[in-house]
Amino acid sequence: DAGVTQSPTHLIKTRGQHVTLRCSPISGHKSVSWYQQVLGQGPQFIFQYYEKEERGRGNFPDRFSARQFPNYSSELNVNALLLGDSALYLCASSLLGDGNQPQHFGDGTRLSIL
Amino acid sequence: QKEVEQNSGPLSVPEGAIASLNCTYSDRGSQSFFWYRQYSGKSPELIMFIYSNGDKEDGRFTAQLNKASQYVSLLIRDSQPSDSATYLCAVRAAGGGNKLTFGTGTQLKVEL
Repeated sequence: DAGVTQSPTHLIKTRGQHVTLRCSPISGHKSVSWYQQVLGQGPQFIFQYYEKEERGRGNFPDRFSARQFPNYSSELNVNALLLGDSALYLCASSLLGDGNQPQHFGDGTRLSIL
Repeated sequence: QKEVEQNSGPLSVPEGAIASLNCTYSDRGSQSFFWYRQYSGKSPELIMFIYSNGDKEDGRFTAQLNKASQYVSLLIRDSQPSDSATYLCAVRAAGGGNKLTFGTGTQLKVEL
């Protein structure tokens, strides 16, 4: 079975632009979470979606938004990009949304802001 | 105080030795604990998870949890050069849904 797939793998944007990152969970998984990982740090939680509803939000500004589709895939949108948004964006999926199943990460999207 | 603390390392061990990686957490209500391995330039890969006090073994890996001391560890037996990576400790709080709080990771180097 395919794992968590994310697209694109790499992206270069300039300040002020917006970006959309995409994630397809493992088949059968209904929960998707997004994380931001800056070099040298652990991943930081951005959002969790389960059954197309937001179930958790981390300490990120409103420039960050996400949604989940009926097929459980998800998009992360970031508006008005800043240099500090340069990071590896990770999507993780799990079977359910209650935290009792482990999360598996995709390969990530590496976003560079110029 | 950081929510999840790990020694950044690097932790160097000779091939074949036991590597011991440690993690402490501040939220006493935390319920689930995860260890991820991350190779340079790659995404985190789940190694172990543990929910109850005590030890959980899977092959060369053993996770140990002590909720009273708010301490979780990962032991890697018969360490191999391929184990060289950054190991991330992640904690899920009670009622936190799927939100994981990560430490900054410990870099492990297994030397020939």
